[in-house]
Amino acid sequence: GDSVTQMEGPVTLSEEAFLTINCTYTATGYPSLFWYVQYPGEGLQLLLKATKADDKGSNKGFEATYRKETTSFHLEKGSVQVSDSAVYFCALSERSPGYNKLIFGAGTRLAVHP
Amino acid sequence: DTAVSQTPKYLVTQMGNDKSIKCEQNLGHDTMYWYKQDSKKFLKIMFSYNNKELIINETVPNRFSPKSPDKAHLNLHINSLELGDSAVYFCASSQVSGGQGNIQYFGAGTRLSVL
Repeated sequence: GDSVTQMEGPVTLSEEAFLTINCTYTATGYPSLFWYVQYPGEGLQLLLKATKADDKGSNKGFEATYRKETTSFHLEKGSVQVSDSAVYFCALSERSPGYNKLIFGAGTRLAVHP
Repeated sequence: DTAVSQTPKYLVTQMGNDKSIKCEQNLGHDTMYWYKQDSKKFLKIMFSYNNKELIINETVPNRFSPKSPDKAHLNLHINSLELGDSAVYFCASSQVSGGQGNIQYFGAGTRLSVL
């Protein structure tokens, strides 16, 4: 079945450092890809998405490019802030007529220190 | 207004009890979901309803019974609670028909602790 693999955390960075969180996927067909973020004590929020190969999703300084040839969707940010500390989930959407199902990676915890 | 709201936020109970978690969405979406997040933060889908019809049921014990009285509500009832049911349960919704189906919106979660 379809699956998503993320780099294990935690990732600990100093403020203004460059962030990369790796994500690769296995899927039949052409899924949409997502990054969700979960701040402490909260639910998941959509951070960005891409629906087809070579699409770049971006939001709040984060970006990720849908790479079909490497089946990857790595998350990057040029300069992280303390407020970016959260758990980041990569996900793909497995879609069939009448429903769609999100398959999540294991999540990567990011801790940013001043 | 909260788009997807769950109640209660915290639920502490004894083994063997029966409990329910409620979810409501005011986004007008046609599909709702329940996910379970374990202690290691791993998220897995449990159920999905489209227009009140069960369409996804992912090898969940039959002690878990979802009920959807209308498109805006999806409740989760759990019978004979076990220690392994302790987790955070998330409700989500999306609009599947009309081409917007890929984005799911999540509630804040219900943390269930079974003692």
